[in-house]
Amino acid sequence: ETGVTQTPRHLVMGMTNKKSLKCEQHLGHNAMYWYKQSAKKPLELMFVYNFKEQTENNSVPSRFSPECPNSSHLFLHLHTLQPEDSALYLCASSQLSGAEYEQYFGPGTRLTVT
Amino acid sequence: QQQVKQSPQSLIVQKGGISIINCAYENTAFDYFPWYQQFPGKGPALLIAIRPDVSEKKEGRFTISFNKSAKQFSLHIMDSQPGDSATYFCAASGSGSSGSARQLTFGSGTQLTVLP
Repeated sequence: ETGVTQTPRHLVMGMTNKKSLKCEQHLGHNAMYWYKQSAKKPLELMFVYNFKEQTENNSVPSRFSPECPNSSHLFLHLHTLQPEDSALYLCASSQLSGAEYEQYFGPGTRLTVT
Repeated sequence: QQQVKQSPQSLIVQKGGISIINCAYENTAFDYFPWYQQFPGKGPALLIAIRPDVSEKKEGRFTISFNKSAKQFSLHIMDSQPGDSATYFCAASGSGSSGSARQLTFGSGTQLTVLP
């Protein structure tokens, strides 16, 4: 595997379900991010992790719960979601310092909440 | 002050034409301005980026023009091809605190269609 991978690619869940999204980066980066992408809206940054430590939580509802067990893996745990949470969830990674500011994105998980 | 405004929302260009997408920002602390390209079913991928110490950067058919005083930057795609049809996002970030990850503020995206 290369780059940033995300599983599953598609997820349909009911409002009472609990599910998790998984992200893995194979780039040796030390920062990871979760974004929400909705149609015709800017990408919304949800969470940022530096070296496994969460540094940002941009007013995300508690029904989204991130977990970063190590610098290569990132999870987003979902529970009691709302239909408006249906979106593409993107994971990204980057280096923390130096000239490499580029964020590398995974292909995303298309989430549908019914 | 964190917003990045992008226009147009959609753009249709004939093959061989020039595609121009514009972005404006307000936060003067921004010092890194990337453009991302996203194809359906894929995540965004970095296309080209610029820092405010230069007014223009060119990579192949893609050029960023940067106007620091106006707080605007734009992407020009020369000799546009049908394979360039995708959604383009501008973004901006500042240096933040030492050791912290840079946060990108994205524009709302431009859907480019290049007609054959």
